[in-house]
Amino acid sequence: SAVISQKPSRDICQRGTSLTIQCQVDSQVTMMFWYRQQPGQSLTLIATANQGSEATYESGFVIDKFPISRPNLTFSTLTVSNMSPEDSSIYLCSVDVGVRAAFFGQGTRLTVV
Amino acid sequence: TQLLEQSPQFLSIQEGENLTVYCNSSSVFSSLQWYRQEPGEGPVLLVTVVTGGEVKKLKRLTFQFGDARKDSSLHITAAQPGDTGLYLCAGEGGPIEGAQKLVFGQGTRLTINP
Repeated sequence: SAVISQKPSRDICQRGTSLTIQCQVDSQVTMMFWYRQQPGQSLTLIATANQGSEATYESGFVIDKFPISRPNLTFSTLTVSNMSPEDSSIYLCSVDVGVRAAFFGQGTRLTVV
Repeated sequence: TQLLEQSPQFLSIQEGENLTVYCNSSSVFSSLQWYRQEPGEGPVLLVTVVTGGEVKKLKRLTFQFGDARKDSSLHITAAQPGDTGLYLCAGEGGPIEGAQKLVFGQGTRLTINP
C-alpha cells in the first residue's frame, strides 16, 4: 500500500490566479497520476507524471493550463493556472504500487470565485 | 477510447435490502477495480478482479468479473447505513491504453436509509 499526503485539502481562489497542489508519497513510485473530479461526477485523468520526463496529458488537458512537476520518486505538484469558475473541482493524486490498485490522496477541493 | 458505463447512477434503498451495481464496457480490461469514496476523501480500493468469470467476496459485498473481462457487478446483501457512499468501478487499460491507467465509470451514489 501507499500513504499519500495531498495539500492543500481545500482552497478558495480568485479567478485568474493559479494554485499549486502538492502530493507526497511515503514510498518511491514510478508513476503518479492526477485526476479531476467535478462536482457530483466521477474521476477524469488529467495526466500521468513520471520522474525525469515530461508529464503525459490526456485529451482535453494541456500543459499550459495544468503544468506538472515530478522532481523525485515521492513527490509531484499540479498547478491549476489562470483559474476560472469552471476549474472548481476536487483534484486528486494517485499512485499505483504494482499490485493492481490505485491509492489516492484525500483530494484538494478547489473553489474558484 | 475506453469507456465504462456504470448503473444505476443513484440508488436509495432501505436497510436490509439487496442491491446490484453494474459496470459495462465494449472494451476488454486487464483488471476491473471497485472503489468506495466518502465525502472529503479520496477513493479507497475495495477489490480488484483480474480473471474472466472471477468472483470475490468481501463480507456482504460480492464482486464479479464478466467472462469476457468487459463488465463487472457489485452485489450488496442486506445493505447497512454504513454502506452509504459513492461506488466507482475502474478499468485498468489493456494493451492499447497501457497498463496502470484507470478509466472510471460515472459512479453510483448509494444511500441506505435506516
